[in-house]
Amino acid sequence: NAGVTQTPKFQVLKTGQSMTLQCAQDMNHEYMSWYRQDPGMGLRLIHYSVGAGITDQGEVPNGYNVSRSTTEDFPLRLLSAAPSQTSVYFCASSYSGGRLGTGELFFGEGSRLTVL
Amino acid sequence: QKEVEQDPGPLSVPEGAIVSLNCTYSNSAFQYFMWYRQYSRKGPELLMYTYSSGNKEDGRFTAQVDKSSKYISLFIRDSQPSDSATYLCAMMNTGFQKLVFGTGTRLLVSP
Repeated sequence: NAGVTQTPKFQVLKTGQSMTLQCAQDMNHEYMSWYRQDPGMGLRLIHYSVGAGITDQGEVPNGYNVSRSTTEDFPLRLLSAAPSQTSVYFCASSYSGGRLGTGELFFGEGSRLTVL
Repeated sequence: QKEVEQDPGPLSVPEGAIVSLNCTYSNSAFQYFMWYRQYSRKGPELLMYTYSSGNKEDGRFTAQVDKSSKYISLFIRDSQPSDSATYLCAMMNTGFQKLVFGTGTRLLVSP
């Protein structure tokens, strides 16, 4: 199993550009989520999904969209990139049947985004 | 005030030292407590998990939860250079679908 795969690993955008961060997992996990990690701020939840067709907002959802058409994929879209969105983005999944259960998240290796 | 507070460090110790990492929290509804370890330029991975109050031991690692004080700890015995990483505490309500993370403490173990 590859686990959680994120692409791209690095990306530089100009202000106002849009892009999609891809996330795929091959563990048949129903729960998937996106976090951003910033110095001094820790991991903050952007959006999460408890199953295909179901998404919800986290702590910092503004400027980001998500959709969940399949169990495997959970892409994160930046509609109009801003310098404040410069961060490291992590996708994470969990096996607990739509709920976090024990709270064990499996993380990807991260996507490093710079917005100029 | 953040729901979860954690000293960012860095915490520098010599090899073989006992390390104590801590978090405090304000939400008394948290029932599940976790420690994640994150190596540089990698994603976090679950290290320890405890439910409610008490201690849990796994090899050189001991997780401790004191709900009355809203305080959790991770102890590392006989620390090794390979333990150098950022340690993030995380916690969750029963039935909640989100984890709340601390900011992480960077640990450096020198040979």
